[in-house]
Amino acid sequence: AQSVAQPEDQVNVAEGNPLTVKCTYSVSGNPYLFWYVQYPNRGLQFLLKYITGDNLVKGSYGFEAEFNKSQTSFHLKKPSALVSDSALYFCAGPGLMGGGYNKLIFGAGTRLAVHP
Amino acid sequence: DTGVSQDPRHKITKRGQNVTFRCDPISEHNRLYWYRQTLGQGPEFLTYFQNEAQLEKSRLLSDRFSAERPKGSFSTLEIQRTEQGDSAMYLCASNPGQGTYEQYFGPGTRLTVT
Repeated sequence: AQSVAQPEDQVNVAEGNPLTVKCTYSVSGNPYLFWYVQYPNRGLQFLLKYITGDNLVKGSYGFEAEFNKSQTSFHLKKPSALVSDSALYFCAGPGLMGGGYNKLIFGAGTRLAVHP
Repeated sequence: DTGVSQDPRHKITKRGQNVTFRCDPISEHNRLYWYRQTLGQGPEFLTYFQNEAQLEKSRLLSDRFSAERPKGSFSTLEIQRTEQGDSAMYLCASNPGQGTYEQYFGPGTRLTVT
């Protein structure tokens, strides 16, 4: 079964320090993977995606993610955290439907708290 | 380019009442999805439309739930005889197809059933 896991409920980091939010996946077929961010009472904002090609993908707001096939991971990273990065982050992968990829399967989310 | 919009943003209803939510996708996005998100969880897929055709429904979508996209543009999600367990955030997303894999989400409708 397709699944995406986020092993940490919360990540705490000091402003200016690097941050990592972890994601592992178990999918059959091409592992299309995504990161989304959710601010309070808001919908999900797309940050970045891995479809194919370079294992390091860059996205919005200075975020990047590293796809690692051998470790089945897709960790989200940022070199220098900002207080405004504090939010709920979701990793997502492809959920199979008839005809191929369509729906998204989400992890449970990781709350990132960046302290001044 | 406006994003996905949803209406209403918040809905409080009493158990047993019917509610209807609307989603307007990004213009010319032919793929539309509904998800449900409960507190502390990631969104869960409910149903998918390609143009006006509803092509997939999750087992989460009980007989009390119905979704439509009559002209392939906006969509509605109706819940009949609401139950307290229906309290959640209902998210709509759209995607243009054509090799674009990411989905673009609306702000959601938060439903509270009392």
